[in-house]
Amino acid sequence: QVQLVQSGSELKKPGASVKVSCKASGYTFTDNALNWVRQAPGQGLEWMGWINTNSGTPTYAQGFTGRFVFSLDTSVSTAYLHISSLKTEDTAFYYCARERGRKPWFDPWGQGTLVAVSS
Amino acid sequence: SHDLTQPPSVSVSPGRTATITCSADQLEFRTAAWYQQRPGQSPVLVIFQDTKRPSGIPERFSGSNSENTATLTISGTQAMDEADYYCQAWDSSSAKVVFGGGTKLTVL
Repeated sequence: QVQLVQSGSELKKPGASVKVSCKASGYTFTDNALNWVRQAPGQGLEWMGWINTNSGTPTYAQGFTGRFVFSLDTSVSTAYLHISSLKTEDTAFYYCARERGRKPWFDPWGQGTLVAVSS
Repeated sequence: SHDLTQPPSVSVSPGRTATITCSADQLEFRTAAWYQQRPGQSPVLVIFQDTKRPSGIPERFSGSNSENTATLTISGTQAMDEADYYCQAWDSSSAKVVFGGGTKLTVL
């Protein structure tokens, strides 16, 4: 079945970096874009942007430029989210999600990766 | 703030119909999707393209979209439907995905 499996939880100090992975299976990886969504503790869903899995071209939503980088390794059907210069306010669950349709919706979602930033 | 407006909470008795709304300017031109998020779990798609239900989603979930408001309806609500529900749309004018703020559905 179509599945996205993310890497495990991370505890980091402010100023550090983190890389979250999202491994796809059950479909042709390059057939669908992958999106990233953030959810701070107790808060709603916030779209971070997406990456074209054919070209590797990322598009970032407002508020997610500079410290956030999307990348791919198509040889292992995996997308990555790299966050640098971590701040305490980056503490959140980060989800990858497969994009469907031209006015897109997301299905499925990864299980989420908790990134906790604390001194 | 969120581009799509949802009520923060909705309560429903078991077996009754729950209705969750999602409003925005020109939403009827964008097509809406809905996600269910149970506590401690990742979101699950329950409705896409306003009215379509993915395989595996119970028939009691249905959607509609007209006059700037998308609606998720859960008929014969069950205790297992208690969750947060989020609407989502594609804003073609700004080329961005937008989410509603989420609605906590309580079944009591």
